Amino acid sequence: AQSVTQPDIHITVSEGASLELRCNYSYGATPYLFWYVQSPGQGLQLLLKYFSGDTLVQGIKGFEAEFKRSQSSFNLRKPSVHWSDAAEYFCAVGPSNDYKLSFGAGTTVTVRA
Amino acid sequence: EPEVTQTPSHQVTQMGQEVILRCVPISNHLYFYWYRQILGQKVEFLVSFYNNEISEKSEIFDDQFSVERPDGSNFTLKIRSTKLEDSAMYFCASRGFTGGNYEQYFGPGTRLTVT
Repeated sequence: AQSVTQPDIHITVSEGASLELRCNYSYGATPYLFWYVQSPGQGLQLLLKYFSGDTLVQGIKGFEAEFKRSQSSFNLRKPSVHWSDAAEYFCAVGPSNDYKLSFGAGTTVTVRA
Repeated sequence: EPEVTQTPSHQVTQMGQEVILRCVPISNHLYFYWYRQILGQKVEFLVSFYNNEISEKSEIFDDQFSVERPDGSNFTLKIRSTKLEDSAMYFCASRGFTGGNYEQYFGPGTRLTVT
């Protein structure tokens, strides 16, 4: 069965500082991996995805993520956060066929001035 | 950019009542999904739908739930007799195939409150 673990429930970061959100997955084959962001009261917006190829993927809003098969990880990074990055971030994994997604519990990011 | 839309944005209903949540997927997508997120919890898969039938459903999706694609554009989730524990945000998603990769897009959600 596929599953996702996001070890950090809440992260506080200063504006302008770097951000890294951890994601570990469990899946028997090559996974499809995703990061979504959810602002308060909003839906889920896709930040980036990994299907195959280059293990460093670039997304929207200046985010990137690196797929490391040996560590079963897909960590999300941003070099310099903006106050508008305060939100909840979800890592998700899906199989290649039906594409049902399994989500992690999410990491809430607070940005302080 | 095409987007998934959902109506209503907020639905309040009494326990035992039927509710229908509506979604309009992206027009050329073929796979459709419902997920839900109970307040403070993770997003959970409910059901996937392809070629006018359910392709997979979770344990949550019991006989009280049903999905339908009544016409070429809408995709609905019906809860026959709502319970307090059905209170959640319900997300519709649709999946297409773009440039060799699958893309899944989520709607903004419907917040269902059962009183």
